[in-house]
Amino acid sequence: AQKVTQAQTEISVVEKEDVTLDCVYETRDTTYYLFWYKQPPSGELVFLIRRNSFDEQNEISGRYSWNFQKSTSSFNFTITASQVVDSAVYFCALSEAGNDYKLSFGAGTTVTVRA
Amino acid sequence: NAGVTQTPKFRVLKTGQSMTLLCAQDMNHEYMYWYRQDPGMGLRLIHYSVGEGTTAKGEVPDGYNVSRLKKQNFLLGLESAAPSQTSVYFCASSYNWESTDTQYFGPGTRLTVL
Repeated sequence: AQKVTQAQTEISVVEKEDVTLDCVYETRDTTYYLFWYKQPPSGELVFLIRRNSFDEQNEISGRYSWNFQKSTSSFNFTITASQVVDSAVYFCALSEAGNDYKLSFGAGTTVTVRA
Repeated sequence: NAGVTQTPKFRVLKTGQSMTLLCAQDMNHEYMYWYRQDPGMGLRLIHYSVGEGTTAKGEVPDGYNVSRLKKQNFLLGLESAAPSQTSVYFCASSYNWESTDTQYFGPGTRLTVL
């Protein structure tokens, strides 16, 4: 069963629009971690954020913000005032204590920001 | 500090050929991982290592072997390449696992098996 679901395959926006990426996860563990990674066209994977299951405090970092809701098993990511450089594939990932903390990735959401 | 490096960056193989992908990290990380990335499937864990001399199977280990003879290096081998192994391979490392320290990824190796 897919542990991490990113229902949006592709999102296309015009520069300066906000973009919200959805991530729904599935786990029976009480201790787990959630991640967002960015993969720009150059191909490397860039770590963006990590949250543990005991910390539901949402965060804003510059133009990025995250909304972690355990009640709905969601860990959504928003880019405010998008820029062309935000064009990338974004991956949500889950690591669980009961799975030796191995990362399970979602299929990714391709974000295209048009000028 | 080069982080995580992978060699080679690109490779084309014929079915049945063998090759070894090299991953090196200079961050003194204990944990190292090999993933493959296929379109529409995200990254899947092939094998991983929790320290020098150790290896373990991940989600999709069949057709691959690994070795961790030195702490800084993690090798991924394909003994008899198949077209289904055409993929982009990523290596990653982390300081430890329990604290789920961030995994740092290499730039990837694009492998095509004809």
